Amino acid sequence: ETGVTQTPRHLVMGMTNKKSLKCEQHLGHNAMYWYKQSAKKPLELMFVYSLEERVENNSVPSRFSPECPNSSHLFLHLHTLQPEDSALYLCASSQIAGGQDTQYFGPGTRLTVL
Amino acid sequence: AQKITQTQPGMFVQEKEAVTLDCTYDTSDQSYGLFWYKQPSSGEMIFLIYQGSYDEQNATEGRYSLNFQKARKSANLVISASQLGDSAMYFCAMREGMNRDDKIIFGKGTRLHILP
Repeated sequence: ETGVTQTPRHLVMGMTNKKSLKCEQHLGHNAMYWYKQSAKKPLELMFVYSLEERVENNSVPSRFSPECPNSSHLFLHLHTLQPEDSALYLCASSQIAGGQDTQYFGPGTRLTVL
Repeated sequence: AQKITQTQPGMFVQEKEAVTLDCTYDTSDQSYGLFWYKQPSSGEMIFLIYQGSYDEQNATEGRYSLNFQKARKSANLVISASQLGDSAMYFCAMREGMNRDDKIIFGKGTRLHILP
């Protein structure tokens, strides 16, 4: 398998549920990202992991909890979400080497919170 | 102030015509990179083309070219000979600096419709 994969592709959950989104990259990259894409907002960066260390956390509510066990895997743990958290969650990876560290995206998980 | 501005929320273009998608950016950094991504209805963000701030020539990738005008701070995407499969959202993005914690900022996107 190549590129960046995400599972599940679609997720419907209640506000009291706990679920996790999974991202895996097969590109040998050293950085991984979580983005949120809502219907009427620009793409919002949520978390950045570089060399498995979190380097960015854009004031994301604590109900979103990232985990990066190694350079190929990234998780987003979800608990007690709100309906406004419904969005497309995109994972990306890149090779940070200064300059053109192009991010390659996965297909996304479309999350609906009831 | 917006870092990335895409002024065209939607565009309709006849198949086989060339398309220019506008993007202007705002930065005081000397080192930065500009990206264009395509997002079809499936949701996946597909990297199209990259232009570095120090690159003297406009980037080209197949039917895609980036019209980089540094003084005007514009980085328009040109798609030649458009195809029906080009219908999608297109995002312009910028990365300022070259440090590992420098993040990419995306514009709001332009929805392109290619008409048969």
